[in-house]
Amino acid sequence: AQKITQTQPGMFVQEKEAVTLDCTYDTSDQSYGLFWYKQPSSGEMIFLIYQGSYDEQNATEGRYSLNFQKARKSANLVISASQLGDSAMYFCAMRDGMDSSYKLIFGSGTRLLVRP
Amino acid sequence: EAGVAQSPRYKIIEKRQSVAFWCNPISGHATLYWYQQILGQGPKLLIQFQNNGVVDDSQLPKDRFSAERLKGVDSTLKIQPAKLEDSAVYLCASGKYDGGAGDTQYFGPGTRLTVL
Repeated sequence: AQKITQTQPGMFVQEKEAVTLDCTYDTSDQSYGLFWYKQPSSGEMIFLIYQGSYDEQNATEGRYSLNFQKARKSANLVISASQLGDSAMYFCAMRDGMDSSYKLIFGSGTRLLVRP
Repeated sequence: EAGVAQSPRYKIIEKRQSVAFWCNPISGHATLYWYQQILGQGPKLLIQFQNNGVVDDSQLPKDRFSAERLKGVDSTLKIQPAKLEDSAVYLCASGKYDGGAGDTQYFGPGTRLTVL
């Protein structure tokens, strides 16, 4: 069955430093997509970055990069030069072709707190 | 481009009452999703529409929840009667394409429901 695991319930990082949020996934499908979303205290889910299973390069979007290790089934999010506004919940999610709906399966999230 | 709109943002009701949530997806997006996010967890898909047809409602408690997407645009999610365990944030998302592992979902601000 498809599954996303985020083992870090909470993390601290000093402002301007880099931080890595862990995500491992489980699927038997060869074609799948991995996503990271940010959820501030206001509640909306903000799309950050996407990695396709066939993409050879790690995805990058500004200060966000995805460390994709296919053999290990991990898709860690790296945030460089942390800012106070990065304090939020971060969710890793996956969708694959195991069922016709291609629904997103979310992990339980990691709460990141950026210290000034 | 306007994002996904949802209303109301907050709702407080007594158990056994009914409630309805409204969602307007991003213009031109074919797929629409309703998620339930219980406090401390990642979102869980309730129902997915492709235009105005249902693709996946396997996790929708159909004895009390109903949803429709008329004319393939706006959608309404209803709960009748509500239970205490329905207290959650209800998120609406839309996607541009008709499925596929790489179709990014964009979320609205959510409706926070409290059932007393």
